[in-house]
Amino acid sequence: QVHLVESGGGVVQPGRSLRLSCEASGFTFSNYGMHWVRQAPGKGPEWVAVIGNAGTVEYYADSVKGRFTLARDNSKNTLYLEMNSLRVEDTAVYYCAKEAHKYAGPWYFDLWGRGTLVTVSS
Amino acid sequence: ESVLTQSPGTLSLSPGDRATLSCRASQYVPNNYLAWYQHKPGQAPRLLMSGASSRATGIPDRFSGSGSGTDFTLTISRLEPEDFAVYYCQQYGVSVQTFGQGTKVEIK
Repeated sequence: QVHLVESGGGVVQPGRSLRLSCEASGFTFSNYGMHWVRQAPGKGPEWVAVIGNAGTVEYYADSVKGRFTLARDNSKNTLYLEMNSLRVEDTAVYYCAKEAHKYAGPWYFDLWGRGTLVTVSS
Repeated sequence: ESVLTQSPGTLSLSPGDRATLSCRASQYVPNNYLAWYQHKPGQAPRLLMSGASSRATGIPDRFSGSGSGTDFTLTISRLEPEDFAVYYCQQYGVSVQTFGQGTKVEIK
């Protein structure tokens, strides 16, 4: 069974940090670019960031650039999102998502996790 | 950035009805790089369609996608009980992929 399972969400004060993880199973993790997508309450999804299959290329949405950092450990089939200087507007469910095509390709997703909730509040 | 506007916001229908969901982009979507997802509460989103009209693996043929340019449609020919959910479109042809705000298909 192919799965993505996110963890690490919680309640955090503005300005603090949080690290999310996404554990993959059932497919060759090292072959695929991986993304984070978030969804704030009552809004549509928002793309956050992508890391290439080898972990050498990263891109970020302007809203998180300079504050969020992606990493992946292909030996552990795990994706990470380090979130620093968190803001109230970062409150959302964070999903990891797998690109549909190997190595590189159009950025749509054939596998998502169930998400982990991050709440930024004082 | 291409803004995607989905309509209607909510569709109230009965099992067996036909559902027509619209997704309009503020910019031309090259290569018809438009995907549709289904999302049920507490579950992972599910890819239905890519390239505007190509069904993903395992998606029943009651789901169909159409459109090009800036106007796209997802049609569910006969609603099954498991189809009541929120549906999102996503464009991935213009830099910074974007999603619509969703259409909720609810039981009438």
